[in-house]
Amino acid sequence: EDQVTQSPEALRLQEGESSSLNCSYTVSGLRGLFWYRQDPGKGPEFLFTLYSAGEEKEKERLKATLTKKESFLHITAPKPEDSATYLCAVLTDSWGKLQFGAGTQVVVTP
Amino acid sequence: ETGVTQTPRHLVMGMTNKKSLKCEQHLGHNAMYWYKQSAKKPLELMFVYNFKEQTENNSVPSRFSPECPNSSHLFLHLHTLQPEDSALYLCASSAGDVTYEQYFGPGTRLTVT
Repeated sequence: EDQVTQSPEALRLQEGESSSLNCSYTVSGLRGLFWYRQDPGKGPEFLFTLYSAGEEKEKERLKATLTKKESFLHITAPKPEDSATYLCAVLTDSWGKLQFGAGTQVVVTP
Repeated sequence: ETGVTQTPRHLVMGMTNKKSLKCEQHLGHNAMYWYKQSAKKPLELMFVYNFKEQTENNSVPSRFSPECPNSSHLFLHLHTLQPEDSALYLCASSAGDVTYEQYFGPGTRLTVT
């Protein structure tokens, strides 16, 4: 059975304190791994897609990396506006079905 | 309108009511999705329409019924719901073939009393 596990569940950071979020997965055939950001009461906002081990993507203070078993979302010098829940999801079939992890809630304090 | 829109944003219904949620995408996509998001649980995929063909999710109760009249509109018809169905219902769309990034609407917060 396909599984996606995110850790930690919650992360509290001081402004400027860099950290990493983990997404480990067990799937029969990975067709892509996605990162989303979700603010309270809103729908998830797409951040990155990674397709193969060794691939990296960057956007502002965020950088996503992928290995054969896990993905990391690195947050460099975070600001309070980076506070959100970060979700990862894996694509496992051609219908576009995504299986999501439970998310990591990040709080960045000034 | 841009992106993915959902109406209503909030809905309170009794267990014997019938209501529908509406989703519209303005991105020219060919695939649309319904998700359920409950507190402290991962997003659960309920239904997929890809190029208007639906895939069934056998774990979704029959009191939820999807309808996709065209590639831009998606409905979720609700009837005789249970209190445990209270959740945030999210609609998403994607290009549905080469790229599968899904773009989400703001969701409908459903409360079943």
